[in-house]
Amino acid sequence: EDQVTQSPEALRLQEGESSSLNCSYTVSGLRGLFWYRQDPGKGPEFLFTLYSAGEEKEKERLKATLTKKESFLHITAPKPEDSATYLCAVSPGGGNKLTFGTGTQLKVEL
Amino acid sequence: DAGVIQSPRHEVTEMGQEVTLRCKPISGHDYLFWYRQTMMRGLELLIYFNNNVPIDDSGMPEDRFSAKMPNASFSTLKIQPSEPRDSAVYFCASSFRPTGIGVGGETQYFGPGTRLLVL
Repeated sequence: EDQVTQSPEALRLQEGESSSLNCSYTVSGLRGLFWYRQDPGKGPEFLFTLYSAGEEKEKERLKATLTKKESFLHITAPKPEDSATYLCAVSPGGGNKLTFGTGTQLKVEL
Repeated sequence: DAGVIQSPRHEVTEMGQEVTLRCKPISGHDYLFWYRQTMMRGLELLIYFNNNVPIDDSGMPEDRFSAKMPNASFSTLKIQPSEPRDSAVYFCASSFRPTGIGVGGETQYFGPGTRLLVL
């Protein structure tokens, strides 16, 4: 069974304090790993897709990396507006589904 | 583009009542997904359609749940009869291509969700 585990469950950072969120996965034949951001009361918003180990993608203060067992979302010099829940999802081989982790709730304080 | 549209945004009903959630996908998207989100279980896929045809409904929790897609611009998720344990946020998402094929166009775009409370 496909599994996605995200850690930590919650993270509190000071503005400018860089950190990383972890997404560990077990899936048969990974076709893609997806990162989403979710603000309270809203639907998930797409951030990145990673397809193979070693791949990296960046967007503003966010950088996503992928290995054969896990993905990291690095947040460099975060700002309060980066506060949100970050969701990781995997797409297994042979299917057209996304299996989501339960997310990391990030709060960035001034 | 208006994005994925869902209605109603909030629904409060009593146990035993029928609940109908509605979704309008992004124009031109051939794939439509229904998800449920709870604190305990996170986001779970209930069912998805391709070109209006249900492809995989293995996530539908029981026979009280049903989903239809009568045309390319409209889908419904119905719960009858509703129970308190159905309380959750229900999301609809759509994509242009299948997820995970690696050629672009596969991103699933989510609607704002319907927050359902069954008393």
